[in-house]
Amino acid sequence: GESVGLHLPTLSVQEGDNSIINCAYSNSASDYFIWYKQESGKGPQFIIDIRSNMDKRQGQRVTVLLNKTVKHLSLQIAATQPGDSAVYFCAESNTGTASKLTFGTGTRLQVTL
Amino acid sequence: DAGITQSPRHKVTETGTPVTLRCHQTENHRYMYWYRQDPGHGLRLIHYSYGVKDTDKGEVSDGYSVSRSKTEDFLLTLESATSSQTSVYFCAISGAPIDTYEQYFGPGTRLTVT
Repeated sequence: GESVGLHLPTLSVQEGDNSIINCAYSNSASDYFIWYKQESGKGPQFIIDIRSNMDKRQGQRVTVLLNKTVKHLSLQIAATQPGDSAVYFCAESNTGTASKLTFGTGTRLQVTL
Repeated sequence: DAGITQSPRHKVTETGTPVTLRCHQTENHRYMYWYRQDPGHGLRLIHYSYGVKDTDKGEVSDGYSVSRSKTEDFLLTLESATSSQTSVYFCAISGAPIDTYEQYFGPGTRLTVT
């Protein structure tokens, strides 16, 4: 929706293909990472999280990969569906800071039929 | 929306008027947060609360104040609204059960300052 940003990076994926959304984070002290999905006109919705003591975590159709060496996070969505079309945000936190999250600017995922 | 409501959902106000946005949760979460979302900036933290009457500033706190007199309510006040405060405001909660960090967001309030 118009609240999310007009010039977001956009990833176009065909229905049924796998999607990979990337995120670079900035704070080497961050020890908790999270992915959100935001549909037009709605609040961000929690997808999956990962702590820094892990490299990979899987959920239902989603996998998050964490590479602390290069401060990179990715979200993989298997068998992408039209309902996956949304803006995806990564966020990082140092869990010693009252769980304050710092968000990236987001990536728009467009699923084509 | 994980037992979070925001009111009002839409508001148009004039420059210089005070505005209060309300966030209400039914989840008994310890932490509550106010964010604003603007094109090109993503979500930015305004203020947060770590308990009743315990609040602290986020990265964009100028021009905003907050109060939390009850666990379930977190109020955001714009003392004198300016056009730069036109935005979508989201409340979030976290902290229950213990040792979880994910935040759950409300539906948002669209504020327009004319």
